[in-house]
Amino acid sequence: QKEVEQDPGPLSVPEGAIVSLNCTYSNSAFQYFMWYRQYSRKGPELLMYTYSSGNKEDGRFTAQVDKSSKYISLFIRDSQPSDSATYLCAMSPNTGNQFYFGTGTSLTVIP
Amino acid sequence: DVKVTQSSRYLVKRTGEKVFLECVQDMDHENMFWYRQDPGLGLRLIYFSYDVKMKEKGDIPEGYSVSREKKERFSLILESASTNQTSMYLCASSSQTGSRFFGPGTRLTVL
Repeated sequence: QKEVEQDPGPLSVPEGAIVSLNCTYSNSAFQYFMWYRQYSRKGPELLMYTYSSGNKEDGRFTAQVDKSSKYISLFIRDSQPSDSATYLCAMSPNTGNQFYFGTGTSLTVIP
Repeated sequence: DVKVTQSSRYLVKRTGEKVFLECVQDMDHENMFWYRQDPGLGLRLIYFSYDVKMKEKGDIPEGYSVSREKKERFSLILESASTNQTSMYLCASSSQTGSRFFGPGTRLTVL
């Protein structure tokens, strides 16, 4: 079983839609959760960082962690064509070198 | 802002050639990483370094070596390039939170 599971999509939504991206994980020791956005042929950029359970909001983006279900989500409100990218989740049990990525979900927002 | 730069965006090499990929970060981070990214396989860790002249194998070190002579610079070396090393190579450094900050990537094609 993989440490982190992420549906690869592709996901296609109309502009203005609410997007929900999700990852599940198996290791209950994970405490740090991140979302990265990767545009085509570019490196991933850190979008959201959360510690432990709960929600974190940044503009149109909300990251949610449910440790009891081992499930994390990224919500994008009022989606824009510029949000079209691959979104990768990542998580870690500590701030050290153990770090696990999902394989990424490809999102296209249609104008 | 953290800046991680990589020496080349695109590289084409012949089988058997020695290939050097260089990475520089400007945030005084202790830890640096080399990943490769392939469709369907996600990000896989090749090597990482937690200090100058120190290196640790990641998940797929075979066929690669690394060098870290200065804190800000981390090089990946393909001793004898093979076609199965055609991939996107991503360098990253990490902050105290453990979050990875990535460079723009080098798309390597081995013919």
